[in-house]
Amino acid sequence: DQQVKQNSPSLSVQEGRISILNCDYTNSMFDYFLWYKKYPAEGPTFLISISSIKDKNEDGRFTVFLNKSAKHLSLHIVPSQPGDSAVYFCAASSRRGSTLGRLYFGRGTQLTVWP
Amino acid sequence: EAGVAQSPRYKIIEKRQSVAFWCNPISGHATLYWYQQILGQGPKLLIQFQNNGVVDDSQLPKDRFSAERLKGVDSTLKIQPAKLEDSAVYLCASSSAGMSGNEQFFGPGTRLTVL
Repeated sequence: DQQVKQNSPSLSVQEGRISILNCDYTNSMFDYFLWYKKYPAEGPTFLISISSIKDKNEDGRFTVFLNKSAKHLSLHIVPSQPGDSAVYFCAASSRRGSTLGRLYFGRGTQLTVWP
Repeated sequence: EAGVAQSPRYKIIEKRQSVAFWCNPISGHATLYWYQQILGQGPKLLIQFQNNGVVDDSQLPKDRFSAERLKGVDSTLKIQPAKLEDSAVYLCASSSAGMSGNEQFFGPGTRLTVL
């Protein structure tokens, strides 16, 4: 049962343009969301997060938007750079209940930024 | 600050053999996680330790998988006997936030191939 879904397995964007990666979740108990970036042969690295009390969080070129009513979040990268080419994972967790701290991951989206 | 260390990086075994993976978390991180990432999927939590106690092992196939974290630092994950479907990358992660759902820091992973 996939509680976090990334429906686009790949995204191709030209350098300098905006990249928008999407993520949907089904569990209304999730209250903390994270994006990880993964290069080949490396472990995922934390990129940015957002708590459910916010609807936007920004860090440099990266902005995450959260729409709780739609159970949807998105990661915007502006401007996109070739070094951003990687697999991006969306993850969610709940700070309540029996699964405290546990991260649920989507399948990932391969972003390719071309010159 | 040194990151999460894992060894070996790659392992090839035949089905029904045994294998063990080692993880050394970031110094001072009380929480340690083992994830399984099958090709084309996101990481899936196998087991979570808080210091040397197990917090969540609900997704661990206990008939063949075992894990321990002696002295609340290093951890080992063992598979005995291995099956073909165990072929995956095994990721270790650690965090200092305990059960708050904050970001986890991942090691490079061990790629296991079962023939």
